[in-house]
Amino acid sequence: AQSVTQLGSHVSVSEGALVLLRCNYSSSVPPYLFWYVQYPNQGLQLLLKYTTGATLVKGINGFEAEFKKSETSFHLTKPSAHMSDAAEYFCAVSDQDGGFKTIFGAGTRLFVKA
Amino acid sequence: NAGVTQTPKFQVLKTGQSMTLQCAQDMNHNSMYWYRQDPGMGLRLIYYSASEGTTDKGEVPNGYNVSRLNKREFSLRLESAAPSQTSVYFCASSGGRAGYNEQFFGPGTRLTVL
Repeated sequence: AQSVTQLGSHVSVSEGALVLLRCNYSSSVPPYLFWYVQYPNQGLQLLLKYTTGATLVKGINGFEAEFKKSETSFHLTKPSAHMSDAAEYFCAVSDQDGGFKTIFGAGTRLFVKA
Repeated sequence: NAGVTQTPKFQVLKTGQSMTLQCAQDMNHNSMYWYRQDPGMGLRLIYYSASEGTTDKGEVPNGYNVSRLNKREFSLRLESAAPSQTSVYFCASSGGRAGYNEQFFGPGTRLTVL
């Protein structure tokens, strides 16, 4: 069975500071890993995904994540936070058979202080 | 290209009432999903349809039914609403060039059951 753990339900950073959102997963098969972002009163949209190949994945809006198999982690980072990054972020894992087995983490709300 | 659309955006029901949430996608995706989002619990899969003509239960199907009307449309029905079904409901679809694991989400329906 697959599972996803996001460490910290709330993270607060100052504008211009490093953003680090943590995600650990468990999977008995090679996983596909995703980060989605949800802005207030909107649906989720894909930030980035890891399927195969390069373990450092770059996404939209300057975000990136690194797949570390030995640590079963897929942490999301951004070097410099912007006010517009304030949102909720979801890590998700699926196996390679189909999206209907996608498991979402509980989410981390990012606050950005001026 | 509207992506995934959902109606209604908001709904208030009394306990025992019924209603149908509508979802449509224009991306020619084979797979469609219904999730509910509750604070601190991420997204939980209610039902999914891997392809037109098929539907399957997800993690939390009790109290819900679905219909895959055609390739574009996937509806969710609450036959007798309960306060525990107060939630935000998201429809999603996947398939096509992005692959089956990347999901595209609608804007959500915010449902309150009194």
